[in-house]
Amino acid sequence: EVQLVESGGGLVQPGGSLRLSCAASGFTFSSYWMSWVRQAPGKGLEWVANIKQDGSEKYYVDSVKGRFTISRDNAKNSLYLQMNSLRAEDTAVYYCASSASSSSWWNYWGQGTLVTVSS
Amino acid sequence: EIVMTQSPATLSVSPGERATLSCRASQSVSSNLAWYQQKPGQAPRLLIYGASTRATGIPARFSGSGSGTEFTLTISSLQSEDFAVYYCQQYNNWPPRLTFGGGTKVEIK
Repeated sequence: EVQLVESGGGLVQPGGSLRLSCAASGFTFSSYWMSWVRQAPGKGLEWVANIKQDGSEKYYVDSVKGRFTISRDNAKNSLYLQMNSLRAEDTAVYYCASSASSSSWWNYWGQGTLVTVSS
Repeated sequence: EIVMTQSPATLSVSPGERATLSCRASQSVSSNLAWYQQKPGQAPRLLIYGASTRATGIPARFSGSGSGTEFTLTISSLQSEDFAVYYCQQYNNWPPRLTFGGGTKVEIK
């Protein structure tokens, strides 16, 4: 059974940092592009970032460029999102998700982890 | 950025009736469009990709159509478990700038 389990969310002050993790199991993690997609409370979905199978390519939505860094460790079947200089508008549930290519749909999703940026 | 617009925002339908959801792209995305279903407190679930191909395990009552800028998701006979929010997503650009529509909530009439 495919599982994606996010962790690391919580309450952080504006300007602070947080690192999200996503543990994958049940599929060949190293064969898939991986992404972070977020959803602000009561709002729609927004793609945040994705990363190639070997980590050699990374893409970001403009609003997080220079502040967020996506990375992965295929030996640990894990995906990460380092979030710096956090803003109130970054408050959201963050989902990790897998896809077959960089510009594609997402077939598997985790249950999400909530990040709240507030003083 | 390709802007995706879904209509209506809310659709009230009785169980057993047909539901038709629309998604429009600000420029052509060819057939590079997916649909997702999301229930409260849950992650999105992939329904359709390639505008019309059902994902694994998705019932035949869900169908997708369209290409270019106009797309439709049809649920032929609504079941109780189908009341949810539906999102379209385009994946046509390079480098990837993946965008979603604002969603259509399908509620019980």
